[in-house]
Amino acid sequence: EPEVTQTPSHQVTQMGQEVILRCVPISNHLYFYWYRQILGQKVEFLVSFYNNEISEKSEIFDDQFSVERPDGSNFTLKIRSTKLEDSAMYFCASSVQFSNQPQHFGDGTRLSIL
Amino acid sequence: EDQVTQSPEALRLQEGESSSLNCSYTVSGLRGLFWYRQDPGKGPEFLFTLYSAGEEKEKERLKATLTKKESFLHITAPKPEDSATYLCAVQGGDYKLSFGAGTTVTVRA
Repeated sequence: EPEVTQTPSHQVTQMGQEVILRCVPISNHLYFYWYRQILGQKVEFLVSFYNNEISEKSEIFDDQFSVERPDGSNFTLKIRSTKLEDSAMYFCASSVQFSNQPQHFGDGTRLSIL
Repeated sequence: EDQVTQSPEALRLQEGESSSLNCSYTVSGLRGLFWYRQDPGKGPEFLFTLYSAGEEKEKERLKATLTKKESFLHITAPKPEDSATYLCAVQGGDYKLSFGAGTTVTVRA
């Protein structure tokens, strides 16, 4: 069964450094998302992406964050100048359509900021 | 803003002991209500989509139902492998998923 894959599974970074989290969505999906889950808290929406543009973003997704689809298969989340509070699980998801269709999630990248 | 509340927070069941999980929601223009299963250290795994009140979906020992204000996930005769956190999420007019905090189910043999 097709699945969303994310790399790395765990990233440890010093505060203030930049990180790039990578995702390969399901191949026939056109809509892509990033969510995060701080330990013990709800899964929170960050951003949605379609046709090489951001469709929607949350208040969390400020100028520190950016997303990109650098080629036909990868979807990346970049966090500039990381902070301690960026420590979380980051999940990538994809769907066939924006509306009424399930979003399928990868197993996440655990980001630890020291 | 869309709100999702799940109860109980945790549920401990004996194998074979059926029970129900609740998801109450407020959303502007419901496009879909989604149930996911999440195992420790893994991403949410899609289970069901419900679109309108009265709709029901089933998969093995799981059955999801939907009303205008809440959804239930019924677990019939659970097995230890059904132990997981079950997440409810709603999609409203802005397309993003808003998740509840989840119900952690533990099934003892």
